[in-house]
Amino acid sequence: NAGVTQTPKFRVLKTGQSMTLLCAQDMNHEYMYWYRQDPGMGLRLIHYSVGEGTTAKGEVPDGYNVSRLKKQNFLLGLESAAPSQTSVYFCASSYYAEFGNQPQHFGDGTRLSIL
Amino acid sequence: KNQVEQSPQSLIILEGKNCTLQCNYTVSPFSNLRWYKQDTGRGPVSLTIMTFSENTKSNGRYTATLDADTKQSSLHITASQLSDSASYICVVSGLNHGGATNKLIFGTGTLLAVQP
Repeated sequence: NAGVTQTPKFRVLKTGQSMTLLCAQDMNHEYMYWYRQDPGMGLRLIHYSVGEGTTAKGEVPDGYNVSRLKKQNFLLGLESAAPSQTSVYFCASSYYAEFGNQPQHFGDGTRLSIL
Repeated sequence: KNQVEQSPQSLIILEGKNCTLQCNYTVSPFSNLRWYKQDTGRGPVSLTIMTFSENTKSNGRYTATLDADTKQSSLHITASQLSDSASYICVVSGLNHGGATNKLIFGTGTLLAVQP
C-alpha cells in the first residue's frame, strides 16, 4: 500500500523553465491537494480538487496550474519557473466528509530549486 | 485574521521525559483541530483530529486536548522516545459549508528534539 507518491523527489530548474510534478494516490480518495512549505511558514494551499475532472484555486495559486484527468492522479505544473517558487511541494489526499473531518494523507514532498 | 500560533518554536528534552506543546488559534467559525507529526524530509502524518465537541483525544503516547472556549489546544507526549524527534504541526479547520473546501490554517510547527 503506497499511499501518496510524489515524483520527482528533487529537481533543480533554471528560471523560465517549465515542469510538472506528479502525485498519485492508491486509496481511492476523492479529494487531492497541492501545498508548498517554506521556512518559517505553515503549509499553504496552492490548488485542490474535489473529484476527477475538477480543480479549484487555493491560497497561493499564481504561477501554477493543475489537472486531475484521473481520480488517482493530480498534476501540478509550473509554466515559467521563478526563484520565488523554490520550495518543498507536498501533495495530499483525503476522503470526502460532510464537515471535513477526515485526515489528509501526505506524500513525502518534492524539493524544487529554481536558479 | 485567521491565525494559528504554536509554542514553543523548538524544544529539547531527554528521552523518557514528558512534554507539552501549545497551539492557540483565532480561526472562526471553527470546524476541527488537527495535530500532525512531520519527520525531517517526510510529509506530515495525522496524529489526532478533534471537533468542537471533543476536549481530548489520544493516539498511543500522544494526547491532544482542546478548549474551544479559549481557542487553545495542547499536545502531550508521554515517555518520549528518540523517534518522537520531529516537527509537530497544529492545523485548524475553519467551517466553510462543510467538506474538503473547509479552509485549513497551518501553524508553523514546534520542532522537538529528544536526546538520549
